[in-house]
Amino acid sequence: DAKTTQPPSMDCAEGRAANLPCNHSTISGNEYVYWYRQIHSQGPQYIIHGLKNNETNEMASLIITEDRKSSTLILPHATLRDTAVYYCIVRVAQAGTALIFGKGTTLSVSS
Amino acid sequence: DVKVTQSSRYLVKRTGEKVFLECVQDMDHENMFWYRQDPGLGLRLIYFSYDVKMKEKGDIPEGYSVSREKKERFSLILESASTNQTSMYLCASSFPGSGRETNYEQYFGPGTRLTVT
Repeated sequence: DAKTTQPPSMDCAEGRAANLPCNHSTISGNEYVYWYRQIHSQGPQYIIHGLKNNETNEMASLIITEDRKSSTLILPHATLRDTAVYYCIVRVAQAGTALIFGKGTTLSVSS
Repeated sequence: DVKVTQSSRYLVKRTGEKVFLECVQDMDHENMFWYRQDPGLGLRLIYFSYDVKMKEKGDIPEGYSVSREKKERFSLILESASTNQTSMYLCASSFPGSGRETNYEQYFGPGTRLTVT
């Protein structure tokens, strides 16, 4: 699996967009980018994933650069409940294998 | 909604005890996973199972075993608990998926915080 690099922490004001970057310069052609988050004392929660096109769902948007070496998770209107550790994971979508979580980015949303 | 439940949120055991952590999912998922999470180390995979009675070692299987007798249930066993197994244990499940368009979404339980004294 490609290694990912994320900043250890970020701050965001409530109501503003939170942009969380992830570098994955060694990503290969069949690897997807996944984002999960973990709110304190809870299990991780799936957010979104993509291969090369930008993706949007009810939680967030995922922007992947054309060379696929980096991506950005966007929470369009951050709330206090979005305070969590966000994990960027790059891997193939292969049956019977597991996700590898790194240290992630701790996002702190304040009022 | 998918639900993954774990038998306990908090557990305290003594060194040398045999410990069972239970995980149950209600979505008929083939794949199930056990992770542990420690400060500064992120999540690390202990074992996973892609079918009943099937299991695969993850990154840190030493000191652990697993059991998958029924599709919905995946148990993690600490044969002889040690203090370095004090951790948050997380169970997850997913469909196996097929092809490049697989949505490899894992559903996690709330976690069991195990303390071994």
